[in-house]
Amino acid sequence: AQSVTQPDIHITVSEGASLELRCNYSYGATPYLFWYVQSPGQGLQLLLKYFSGDTLVQGIKGFEAEFKRSQSSFNLRKPSVHWSDAAEYFCAVGKTSYDKVIFGPGTSLSVIP
Amino acid sequence: GAVVSQHPSWVICKSGTSVKIECRSLDFQATTMFWYRQFPKQSLMLMATSNEGSKATYEQGVEKDKFLINHASLTLSTLTVTSAHPEDSSFYICSATADLSTDTQYFGPGTRLTVL
Repeated sequence: AQSVTQPDIHITVSEGASLELRCNYSYGATPYLFWYVQSPGQGLQLLLKYFSGDTLVQGIKGFEAEFKRSQSSFNLRKPSVHWSDAAEYFCAVGKTSYDKVIFGPGTSLSVIP
Repeated sequence: GAVVSQHPSWVICKSGTSVKIECRSLDFQATTMFWYRQFPKQSLMLMATSNEGSKATYEQGVEKDKFLINHASLTLSTLTVTSAHPEDSSFYICSATADLSTDTQYFGPGTRLTVL
């Protein structure tokens, strides 16, 4: 079965601290992997995506993600968190980059000033 | 980047009434649009896939007679919640893709539906 898990429902970090959001997936074939951010009142914004190539992917807003096939993981990282990063983060998988996607349950990020 | 809009952004209706939500691709032609539903503090669940000019494909468990989807043009898809009930209250989000060349899909800002 195809699924995405995000083990951390909620994470709180101090501004300036590093961040890692975990994501594990189960998919029959090699999937496209995505990280989206959803801020209150805002639509979903794509942070980055991965299908092949370098397993460390750079995205927008200073985020990066590392694909580890052996662990079926695609963890999102940021070296220094800003207060504006407080939002809901969703990991997702899909057959292609333009097809329907399966979302994980999301991780809510709070940032302490 | 490409823009997808939704209208209305929020709507309150009485139980038993029908509500129509529009999803528009503003600067590209969307061959495929997806409708998702998001309950508070939960993830997005795909409801259906619509292709321009053809019937929508619904995910398992989604009532096609309750959630009517029409993709009448390459820039507009509508979701009509018929005979809405309080349990239909949710956040409805659409996304759109153009064609194979654009290599991505774009999400709308969502519509908050509250059924009293």
